[in-house]
Amino acid sequence: QVQLVQSGAEVKKPGASVKISCKASGYTFTRYSIHWVRQAPGQGLEWVGWINTGNDDRKYSQNVEGRVTITRDTVARTAYLELKSLRSEDAAVYYCARDNYVAYYYHYMDVWGEGTTVTVS
Amino acid sequence: QSVLTQPPSVSGAPGQRVTITCKGSTSNIGAGYDVHWYQQFPGRVPKLLVHGNTNRPSGVPDRFSGSTSGTSASLVISGLQAEDEAHYYCQSYDTSLSGSGVFGGGTKLTVL
Repeated sequence: QVQLVQSGAEVKKPGASVKISCKASGYTFTRYSIHWVRQAPGQGLEWVGWINTGNDDRKYSQNVEGRVTITRDTVARTAYLELKSLRSEDAAVYYCARDNYVAYYYHYMDVWGEGTTVTVS
Repeated sequence: QSVLTQPPSVSGAPGQRVTITCKGSTSNIGAGYDVHWYQQFPGRVPKLLVHGNTNRPSGVPDRFSGSTSGTSASLVISGLQAEDEAHYYCQSYDTSLSGSGVFGGGTKLTVL
């Protein structure tokens, strides 16, 4: 079945970097983009960025641009999120989600990973 | 401040109907980007509830229905059940942010 499996929880100090992974299975990896979404404790969902796993195009939220890099390894069927210069406000659960593309104005997150907790302390 | 605006909370008694609104602008919903809705229980992963404004994935009860009008979208939950108590998020994209994804702030539904 279609599945996204994320790496385990991370604890980092302020100013450090973190890199988390999202391994896909059950579908053709390069046919679906991957989004990254985060959720701070007690807060709502925040879109972080996404990567077109086919052509490597990327787009990032203005809130983290300059500190975030999303990459993918097509052989390993894995997407990665790296966030640098961590701040306390980066502490959150980070989710990857598959993008189901129907049309330019119609694409949505249909399958989600289980989440990776990043603690900054 | 979220680009899409949702009420922080709504409530209703079992069997009743509630509406959750999602107000956007001419750069997102009004620009033609479709709206999608996600349901999230405490401590759980968000789940797709409605996509493309009105479409329910397989397995989602027809008690959940979505619609859009102008720069806003709505999620209607009919025949409320206790298990519907959760957070609901609308999501779209925004041209002023170069097509970046945007979420509403989320709405906590309480079943009285």
